[in-house]
Amino acid sequence: GAVVSQHPSWVICKSGTSVKIECRSLDFQATTMFWYRQFPKQSLMLMATSNEGSKATYEQGVEKDKFLINHASLTLSTLTVTSAHPEDSSFYICSAPYRAGNSYEQYFGPGTRLTVT
Amino acid sequence: AQSVTQLDSHVSVSEGTPVLLRCNYSSSYSPSLFWYVQHPNKGLQLLLKYTSAATLVKGINGFEAEFKKSETSFHLTKPSAHMSDAAEYFCVVTNSGGYNKLIFGAGTRLAVHP
Repeated sequence: GAVVSQHPSWVICKSGTSVKIECRSLDFQATTMFWYRQFPKQSLMLMATSNEGSKATYEQGVEKDKFLINHASLTLSTLTVTSAHPEDSSFYICSAPYRAGNSYEQYFGPGTRLTVT
Repeated sequence: AQSVTQLDSHVSVSEGTPVLLRCNYSSSYSPSLFWYVQHPNKGLQLLLKYTSAATLVKGINGFEAEFKKSETSFHLTKPSAHMSDAAEYFCVVTNSGGYNKLIFGAGTRLAVHP
């Protein structure tokens, strides 16, 4: 089946620094990927849609200058949290749609836990 | 617009008894519906999906769900709970075909007691 990986799996950074998270589709191509964040004991909230070769589409309330998304190839999307603050600490998860029969299934990466100190 | 309501934030069952996790959806067009499971500090795993074919959908690990358009429901069931079923479960809706962004329910935490 389809596999989506994320790197790193966890990261600790100091306030004011930037952190890059990678999302890769390992055995299929994905022109679109999705980035979510999940706070403890809460559901996933869509942050943005990453589009290969074009600008990302951000959900309402998500600062595009803070959460930079680059979809550089058909298998890689990156999320950069710029000037991170403690309130950015969260679990970040990506997904990519994979064709299964006549429909698509979203495959999720294992997530990246970001802690900003 | 689309939305999902999971009616129970917590469900507790005894091992070997049936599981029922309730989900209602709202969609202005034909939806695709999914159930995902998330174990602690892990990614999400697809349990099953409905994409306009059979209304009774069978998934992995003995789970199944029935799409009821008249009730706008997509409840998840399992005849006999296992300790390993303890996890967070998310009901998810997207547009027909499943390609686009997913709308997640708030989640239901399932506890299984011996």
